[in-house]
Amino acid sequence: GAGVSQSPRYKVAKRGQDVALRCDPISGHVSLFWYQQALGQGPEFLTYFQNEAQLDKSGLPSDRFFAERPEGSVSTLKIQRTQQEDSAVYLCASSLYQGAGEQYFGPGTRLTVT
Amino acid sequence: AQSVTQLDSQVPVFEEAPVELRCNYSSSVSVYLFWYVQYPNQGLQLLLKYLSGSTLVKGINGFEAEFNKSQTSFHLRKPSVHISDTAEYFCAVTRTNFGNEKLTFGTGTRLTIIP
Repeated sequence: GAGVSQSPRYKVAKRGQDVALRCDPISGHVSLFWYQQALGQGPEFLTYFQNEAQLDKSGLPSDRFFAERPEGSVSTLKIQRTQQEDSAVYLCASSLYQGAGEQYFGPGTRLTVT
Repeated sequence: AQSVTQLDSQVPVFEEAPVELRCNYSSSVSVYLFWYVQYPNQGLQLLLKYLSGSTLVKGINGFEAEFNKSQTSFHLRKPSVHISDTAEYFCAVTRTNFGNEKLTFGTGTRLTIIP
């Protein structure tokens, strides 16, 4: 079956622009996560949804970052007024239910802010 | 809070030789442990996981790992590596009390296989 998909795969933005990154989780998966992976680092947690409810946004680095999952399936991560330090790969992951024990990752969106 | 330390940032190994990638964790609560592999320009793929039961866990592609609670370690091993194993490997933990399954990752180990 289809895995987690993300679009776009690559995004170049000028500093100060707004960007929107999309994640399509595996159909039926309840939990959805966003992670940020800086160059040469491990992924770091940004935010977590259970269905449409955003249960944890403690990892969002600033109020310029906003995520939503309005119908409990597709999710969008929005970054306003992008800065150079926002350059990273943004990974989306989903899991079947809370406690499933395994997250399935998408290929990521590589954001470069110039 | 949990933290993960991967002691080696890069590990070069000759083809068909054994390899061990080290992972230590710190946590004030019980955790579940995972190893993920990341090939270039791809997302993360689960290699294996420890949730409970036998401390020796077998995963895909011939990898295995052993959970050692007293040493807070979860080292990854393979008896004979192949060129196709060249990738970045990440150790990760999540707390067992599932209020939020967010993963905490180490900084990764780049495994390079030398022909």
